[in-house]
Amino acid sequence: EIVMTQSPATLSVSPGERATLSCRASQSVSTNLAWYQQKPGQAPRLLIHSTSRRASGIPARFSGSGSGTEFTLTIDSLQSEDFAVYYCQQYNYWPGTFGQGTKVEIK
Amino acid sequence: QVTLTESGPALVKPTQTLTLTCTFTGFSLSTRGMCVSWIRQPPGKALEWLARIDWDDEIYYSTSLKTRLTVSKDTSKNQVVLTMTTMDPLDTATYYCARISTGDLTGFYMDVWGKGTTVTVSS
Repeated sequence: EIVMTQSPATLSVSPGERATLSCRASQSVSTNLAWYQQKPGQAPRLLIHSTSRRASGIPARFSGSGSGTEFTLTIDSLQSEDFAVYYCQQYNYWPGTFGQGTKVEIK
Repeated sequence: QVTLTESGPALVKPTQTLTLTCTFTGFSLSTRGMCVSWIRQPPGKALEWLARIDWDDEIYYSTSLKTRLTVSKDTSKNQVVLTMTTMDPLDTATYYCARISTGDLTGFYMDVWGKGTTVTVSS
């Protein structure tokens, strides 16, 4: 089973600044990597799939990059509604596995 | 509009069997490339993918839970049912169902999620 490791566990960022989240796979998952956003008491929401493709309705300030085992989610100019937990997930192999999440909190 | 709604008991006793139903609208599970997954999240913890059922009746289970899980679909009712046997307090979690729509059969990510249903396992 592929292990997904996210870092950091918590990221403190001021509104308007950039946030950079990392996700590492224990072996190559090609570009079959998705990012989800989860707010307290809500279901996860798809942000990015195929490493860099934004889901429908996702603002352009969210961007993804990487391939193989190293991936990055970048959030430019953080808005108040962006403070949440972010999960990466590989779907190159069954079972698709999630990282442990990065909490983006207000600095 | 695609929606998914989970339903089932909020409380089950240890050793009992849990049955959850996912009722969905806006797509058909008989359409090529459509799948429904079950994912759970213990309180304060990360997401765990439990199972997936595909349009062609292929079913995939979590390797660690496969002996306890059964997934089935009723295409006419637009429902997917998950059963989990021998429930334990460690199975306390919010259980989500979610859609996968993969036209090219490569993108097995969840694009629409239900709101989830919370299940507590306690005597």
